Amino acid sequence: EPEVTQTPSHQVTQMGQEVILRCVPISNHLYFYWYRQILGQKVEFLVSFYNNEISEKSEIFDDQFSVERPDGSNFTLKIRSTKLEDSAMYFCASRLTETTYEQYFGPGTRLTVT
Amino acid sequence: GNSVTQMEGPVTLSEEAFLTINCTYTATGYPSLFWYVQYPGEGLQLLLKATKADDKGSNKGFEATYRKETTSFHLEKGSVQVSDSAVYFCALSDNYGQNFVFGPGTRLSVLP
Repeated sequence: EPEVTQTPSHQVTQMGQEVILRCVPISNHLYFYWYRQILGQKVEFLVSFYNNEISEKSEIFDDQFSVERPDGSNFTLKIRSTKLEDSAMYFCASRLTETTYEQYFGPGTRLTVT
Repeated sequence: GNSVTQMEGPVTLSEEAFLTINCTYTATGYPSLFWYVQYPGEGLQLLLKATKADDKGSNKGFEATYRKETTSFHLEKGSVQVSDSAVYFCALSDNYGQNFVFGPGTRLSVLP
C-alpha cells in the first residue's frame, strides 16, 4: 500500500542552523501539507501546498519557514534559522484530489534544537 | 474559527471493556470529521471518517457517527484490546478539505 515517507526520522541541530525536512508524498496525490506536534501537545497545521504554490499557511509559518517541491516526488520544509521552540515532531501529509478529504500522514521527523 | 474538543485522558481500561472517547467540534459550513490514531513511536494513521451528517465511520471495530445536531463525533469500540493502546485524535477539515484542525488527543491504555 502506498505511503508517505519522511527523512530523516530524527534530526538534531544547533540553534541558528538551517534544517531541511524531506517528505515523499503518495505518488498520485495533488495536495501536500506540513504539521507539527510539540511534545505532549496537539497537532498543529503549518502549511498547505497545491499546484506548486502555497495555498494556505498558519500564523506559525513565518518567514523562517519555506516549502518547496523541487522535483516530481519530494516535498521539503526548510527552517532557515532554528530556534529552541522549533523542537517538535514534524509530519508531512498528502491528499489525493479536491474531493477526497482524508489526509495520509508520514511517520514524522523529530527535530531537536539544542 | 474551527475547533475540536476531546475528553482529556489518559483513559485506562481493562481488556474487553467498552470504550467511548468524546469529541465535539465547532465549525462553519459542512466539515468532514476524522479519527486518527497514533501508536507509540509512530505517525498518525487514519482510523475512520465521516463526511456528512448521520454518516457512520467504522474500522477495526471502532465506530463514530457524525451528529450535526450535537456537533459530536464520539469514538466507540465494544471490546478493546491491549493492542488498541495509543493516542486518539479527533479532527475536522473544512468543507474545502483544506487544513485539518486536531483535538488535543486522548491517550488510551488497555491493561490485560
